[in-house]
Amino acid sequence: TQLLEQSPQFLSIQEGENLTVYCNSSSVFSSLQWYRQEPGEGPVLLVTVVTGGEVKKLKRLTFQFGDARKDSSLHITAAQPGDTGLYLCAGMDSNYQLIWGAGTKLIIKP
Amino acid sequence: EAQVTQNPRYLITVTGKKLTVTCSQNMNHEYMSWYRQDPGLGLRQIYYSMNVEVTDKGDVPEGYKVSRKEKRNFPLILESPSPNQTSLYFCASSFRLGPYEQYFGPGTRLTVT
Repeated sequence: TQLLEQSPQFLSIQEGENLTVYCNSSSVFSSLQWYRQEPGEGPVLLVTVVTGGEVKKLKRLTFQFGDARKDSSLHITAAQPGDTGLYLCAGMDSNYQLIWGAGTKLIIKP
Repeated sequence: EAQVTQNPRYLITVTGKKLTVTCSQNMNHEYMSWYRQDPGLGLRQIYYSMNVEVTDKGDVPEGYKVSRKEKRNFPLILESPSPNQTSLYFCASSFRLGPYEQYFGPGTRLTVT
């Protein structure tokens, strides 16, 4: 069974701090997606990374796909209360099915 | 507006009483799926459909049924709900199977007593 482990599971920090969320697996993925979910809503796609070593930036969010395509990270610079939410990573396996991490619950305190 | 709709949003029912959660998308997507979300377990896929009349089991299909008679609709059926099916359910759609964006509905919170 393929697993995608996210860490930390929970993170509460002050506005303005930096943070990194990790997504790790022993399996190779053809692509990896990051989603953000707010209370009472479904997840919304932030980014898709496809190439090993790929880095994508979305304003203050930086996403990196590991060279071996087994892991990924999400770095947020100068976090703001609007960044609060559940962050989910999902890797696509060789059968084009998504393997989901359990999520990182992020709270940014003003 | 491109969207996935689910109904109902909230449902409290009793063990054994058949229920259906509807899902509809207006984006002409081929691929649709159902997930359940439980604390600490993330999203687990129940069933998916790659196109009309094509459905397949996901990771946790026991106790659920689906159908895909039309491209836009993908209802989830619980023939005899049990308390362990209490969960938050999401329907999702994407252009087709592959590295495409999943569009999620707003979720259905189901409680089975």
